[in-house]
Amino acid sequence: DQQVKQNSPSLSVQEGRISILNCDYTNSMFDYFLWYKKYPAEGPTFLISISSIKDKNEDGRFTVFLNKSAKHLSLHIVPSQPGDSAVYFCAASARTSYDKVIFGPGTSLSVIP
Amino acid sequence: GAVVSQHPSWVICKSGTSVKIECRSLDFQATTMFWYRQFPKQSLMLMATSNEGSKATYEQGVEKDKFLINHASLTLSTLTVTSAHPEDSSFYICSANGGSTGANVLTFGAGSRLTVL
Repeated sequence: DQQVKQNSPSLSVQEGRISILNCDYTNSMFDYFLWYKKYPAEGPTFLISISSIKDKNEDGRFTVFLNKSAKHLSLHIVPSQPGDSAVYFCAASARTSYDKVIFGPGTSLSVIP
Repeated sequence: GAVVSQHPSWVICKSGTSVKIECRSLDFQATTMFWYRQFPKQSLMLMATSNEGSKATYEQGVEKDKFLINHASLTLSTLTVTSAHPEDSSFYICSANGGSTGANVLTFGAGSRLTVL
């Protein structure tokens, strides 16, 4: 039973355009969401997060949107750059156990120069 | 920022041998560390929570006798894959919560690629 879903295994975007990565979750106890970026043979690195009390969080080129009623969040990257090419993991945790982070299957983003 | 160091980054061993992977928090103390496993093109699966000074908590389906976890200090957790077999070949990643990254953000090590022949 996958609690965090990323239905698009891969995404290709032209450099300079917007990349939109989607994530859905099923556990209504989740109230903290994170995006991690991962290059091959490396550990994930934290990108951006959002608490359930917000519906948007922005950090430079990265914006995360949260729709609690739909149990859906998305990561927008604008403008996309070739260096953004990586696997992006959506992750979630619950207030009862913030340390226990559940990851989605990941979306491989390719930004084409 | 918070740094988690993992060693070795890759290891090849013969079937039946044991392999130890170390995870260190370099600039902060971590009472709790987490061990993940990633199969090719799949997500990170939480294997166990490593607690300093006490027994690890294993996720359902993870054999605690196969994957021994020791968290002897506030900066070091070790994962030992005992009597490794080819199906144990995987990418193992540790993480810790804390440091300057943020209270609710995990900092990951670079991972350890295990290949069992």
